[in-house]
Amino acid sequence: EAGVTQSPTHLIKTRGQQATLRCSPISGHTSVYWYQQALGLGLQFLLWYDEGEERNRGNFPPRFSGRQFPNYSSELNVNALELEDSALYLCASSLSGRSYNSPLHFGNGTRLTVT
Amino acid sequence: AQSVTQLDSQVPVFEEAPVELRCNYSSSVSVYLFWYVQYPNQGLQLLLKYLSGSTLVKGINGFEAEFNKSQTSFHLRKPSVHISDTAEYFCAGRSEKLVFGKGTKLTVNP
Repeated sequence: EAGVTQSPTHLIKTRGQQATLRCSPISGHTSVYWYQQALGLGLQFLLWYDEGEERNRGNFPPRFSGRQFPNYSSELNVNALELEDSALYLCASSLSGRSYNSPLHFGNGTRLTVT
Repeated sequence: AQSVTQLDSQVPVFEEAPVELRCNYSSSVSVYLFWYVQYPNQGLQLLLKYLSGSTLVKGINGFEAEFNKSQTSFHLRKPSVHISDTAEYFCAGRSEKLVFGKGTKLTVNP
């Protein structure tokens, strides 16, 4: 069974540009989560999508946005990039997000570097 | 609101020694707890989970954790560590979203 896949592996952008990160969940999983792992800040919850709808959002500015497609894959967009957006962005998927006992399965992340 | 606290940011230990990584949680609702491991330049891998039932949970790679409701703890243990266990370990609790502790870097020295 294929795990959660993320692309690209690495992404280098300059300040002010936009970045698009992609995630394909495990087959059968309908929930997708995005986390930011910045140096020294731990794992910060960004967004949760379940069956195409945004269900919850972390404490991030509106320039962080995303969507979930009908095939449950997801896209994270970061507009007007700032230097502090440099981080590892992790995507995770789970069976229906309404079952809180369903563990999250993570991809290997996209390393975003903003220069 | 649910929160998870990992009491040690770094734990150095010698190979074949036992190790305990400490985690405390707070929750006013349901309790679903997890331990994840992150190797360098990789994502997070699920080690084990506590959903209900037996308070001693066994996971992969010889790790186990004990859920203690009275002490609101979920400590991770391994009786004998290997060099390959060197990684960062995250405790997490789940309600609507998965909330992580800040992580514990385990370094196993020869």
